[in-house]
Amino acid sequence: QQQVKQSPQSLIVQKGGISIINCAYENTAFDYFPWYQQFPGKGPALLIAIRPDVSEKKEGRFTISFNKSAKQFSLHIMDSQPGDSATYFCAAAPASGTYKYIFGTGTRLKVLA
Amino acid sequence: NAGVTQTPKFQVLKTGQSMTLQCAQDMNHNSMYWYRQDPGMGLRLIYYSASEGTTDKGEVPNGYNVSRLNKREFSLRLESAAPSQTSVYFCASSVTGTTDTQYFGPGTRLTVL
Repeated sequence: QQQVKQSPQSLIVQKGGISIINCAYENTAFDYFPWYQQFPGKGPALLIAIRPDVSEKKEGRFTISFNKSAKQFSLHIMDSQPGDSATYFCAAAPASGTYKYIFGTGTRLKVLA
Repeated sequence: NAGVTQTPKFQVLKTGQSMTLQCAQDMNHNSMYWYRQDPGMGLRLIYYSASEGTTDKGEVPNGYNVSRLNKREFSLRLESAAPSQTSVYFCASSVTGTTDTQYFGPGTRLTVL
């Protein structure tokens, strides 16, 4: 129940295309869902996050879609660029009373020029 | 602001040796975390410190100890290193827990022979 399942493990997209990464969770107590971006040799950095009171959140080319009933959420990267090539991690946590994120296993994205 | 700094960047140990990984943050954050990152496993929480003077176990605490030396510093100690502890270790900090952004350091790549 504590797992966050992330897919795909790796993704290759042409420049200008849409990258889609999916995550699913079981624990209904989770209600905070951040996405982190990690470049090689660097630590992860927060990209965008969502609470389940909204079904979608957009920041620039990055959008989180959230389906509470299906317990799934996804990251969409529009107009993907070579500079977006990185590993992306979804995570989940209850909104209060804990300091423990549960991270997905990561998706390595490569955007071809 | 340096953010979150970690030392050393790389380390090679022999089985049974001990070492301490150092982490410091200059953002006046209350909470600090230690994660390990392994291929295909994502980020797993080893220990965290919700505030100065407190520490708690995360998902994979066995074989590790931590010390919250002061508000800025949070160290991770391996008393008797094992090959299974070969990993990349990340320290992170946040203002408080859960929905606050976690800021990650650059990581320490540890190899245990």
